[in-house]
Amino acid sequence: DTGVSQDPRHKITKRGQNVTFRCDPISEHNRLYWYRQTLGQGPEFLTYFQNEAQLEKSRLLSDRFSAERPKGSFSTLEIQRTEQGDSAMYLCASSFGNTIYFGEGSWLTVV
Amino acid sequence: KQEVTQIPAALSVPEGENLVLNCSFTDSAIYNLQWFRQDPGKGLTSLLLIQSSQREQTSGRLNASLDKSSGRSTLYIAASQPGDSATYLCAVSNAGGTSYGKLTFGQGTILTVHP
Repeated sequence: DTGVSQDPRHKITKRGQNVTFRCDPISEHNRLYWYRQTLGQGPEFLTYFQNEAQLEKSRLLSDRFSAERPKGSFSTLEIQRTEQGDSAMYLCASSFGNTIYFGEGSWLTVV
Repeated sequence: KQEVTQIPAALSVPEGENLVLNCSFTDSAIYNLQWFRQDPGKGLTSLLLIQSSQREQTSGRLNASLDKSSGRSTLYIAASQPGDSATYLCAVSNAGGTSYGKLTFGQGTILTVHP
């Protein structure tokens, strides 16, 4: 396993559509995180899982956002009724202990 | 609420120069501080991690220091090379949080090293 994998890498969608991103963490990493990054800014924490349990959600994660990690392996982040303000890169990361590894990110453009 | 600030926002230097990137944070109750590198359109690569009990960490031409009481960290890059051109991000993990991986990031310093 070479790292954290995210799919798709790029997504263009029309306003109002739903989109889903997938993250495959490094094997045996029990913690998985989602971050959002807009141009010129650092990443902002959205949510994290320990195994299959979602332990914390940021206030940035509105009702239109939902994340799951069934069986404690891969995770999905779904955005419903997308808005232009959702345009950003969505980063997934996983960790076991102190060291955190980020994926390459999924770019979302809402037109 | 933890806030992380990085100065300068952008830096352009000729190859071979030694340089310093600065990071400050408002809440000194941290578990650790990390420096990351991000290439355009890519994810983040961890460069150095300093535990709250440590003063500095070194890796090759990189040296990061931490002064927790004053809420400051610096990343020193020796003998810069064009391949060092990237955005450098500082991030802290707050003590009392539920996970080491819940990080608060600065906005980054965009570094350009020209030949």
